[in-house]
Amino acid sequence: SQELEQSPQSLIVQEGKNLTINCTSSKTLYGLYWYKQKYGEGLIFLMMLQKGGEEKSHEKITAKLDEKKQQSSLHITASQPSHAGIYLCGAVVFTGGYQKVTFGTGTKLQVIP
Amino acid sequence: DTGVSQNPRHKITKRGQNVTFRCDPISEHNRLYWYRQTLGQGPEFLTYFQNEAQLEKSRLLSDRFSAERPKGSFSTLEIQRTEQGDSAMYLCASSLGEGTGGHQPQHFGDGTRLSIL
Repeated sequence: SQELEQSPQSLIVQEGKNLTINCTSSKTLYGLYWYKQKYGEGLIFLMMLQKGGEEKSHEKITAKLDEKKQQSSLHITASQPSHAGIYLCGAVVFTGGYQKVTFGTGTKLQVIP
Repeated sequence: DTGVSQNPRHKITKRGQNVTFRCDPISEHNRLYWYRQTLGQGPEFLTYFQNEAQLEKSRLLSDRFSAERPKGSFSTLEIQRTEQGDSAMYLCASSLGEGTGGHQPQHFGDGTRLSIL
């Protein structure tokens, strides 16, 4: 089965600082999602990466999928308190012609004003 | 609001009782997923529907769990004879089917938090 490891498990940064969260897969990734979750709430879709070397940006968040498609990174530039939450990476797993998602355990981000 | 809607948001019940949760997906989405999330963990896949057909059930879904999507629109997840270990957040997600655009992202509801006393 595919396993995802996220690092760090938690992160505390000063507002305005940059940060990077990593997601490493035990197998080749066919697709990789990044979601954000606030405590007690659902997951908010951030980005989806499919191709090796692909990079996508949304506002101050950039995600990359490495060429070998076994690792992804999420980078936040000039962090703000609104970026605080749990960031989850999810690997697309194909089973019988449809996809399901296997998630990592998440990275908890706190941004100190 | 056209997002995924889940009801109730919170459910507290005594051990041994039955509970039912409802999920209303985004209207044009034909795929619907249920996940379970415990504290400090990522969501774990439970089951998947394409239209009204339930195509996969995880081994996490014991015989006490049943899910339906009778008309290919909303879905219900029922847990019978609840146990302490059932306490978790139950998340529903929906997506379009695979198309020329490749993978379609799953959009999640806010979940139902179940607490077993």
